[in-house]
Amino acid sequence: AQSVTQLDSQVPVFEEAPVELRCNYSSSVSVYLFWYVQYPNQGLQLLLKYLSGSTLVKGINGFEAEFNKSQTSFHLRKPSVHISDTAEYFCAVSLIFGNEKLTFGTGTRLTIIP
Amino acid sequence: GAGVSQSPSNKVTEKGKDVELRCDPISGHTALYWYRQSLGQGLEFLIYFQGNSAPDKSGLPSDRFSAERTGGSVSTLTIQRTQQEDSAVYLCASSPPMGRNTEAFFGQGTRLTVV
Repeated sequence: AQSVTQLDSQVPVFEEAPVELRCNYSSSVSVYLFWYVQYPNQGLQLLLKYLSGSTLVKGINGFEAEFNKSQTSFHLRKPSVHISDTAEYFCAVSLIFGNEKLTFGTGTRLTIIP
Repeated sequence: GAGVSQSPSNKVTEKGKDVELRCDPISGHTALYWYRQSLGQGLEFLIYFQGNSAPDKSGLPSDRFSAERTGGSVSTLTIQRTQQEDSAVYLCASSPPMGRNTEAFFGQGTRLTVV
């Protein structure tokens, strides 16, 4: 079965500084990878996804993530964060072949410090 | 509708009572998920429906929890004899048929409080 690890439960970052949120996955077969964001008191929405092709994926709000198959990672990055980026970020994985059930990590709370 | 709809948005119930939470997925979506999000916790998988296949119930925490999906559309999550530890936000999501686009679309959730 697949699993997702988000090692950092909380990440404080100063405004306009760069940020990287880490995500590692475990699977014996090929997977799709996702990052979801949950803003305070809101539902989850898709930030970006990797299905195939270029390993560098760009998403909304200036975020990007890079799929690294050898390191089984899908880290999320932004070169300069804004106060509005304060949210909970979830990494998720699903199998390319199979029932495609989404498995989520435990989330990383990103706090932007003014 | 345009998105995944969950009802009620908030539910307060007494310990020991049964509750039913409803999810209306996006029309045409064959996959439907239920997750639970407790305060300060991540997303806990509960159950997954995909088309006419047998549901994946591996995440249900106890036999007090059950879910059904009627006609391949609306789903109801039932919690019997609620306990205080059941208090959480219950999230429903749906996604298109397999192989089309595996993105899951989430509802706003039902906040359940057991007192």
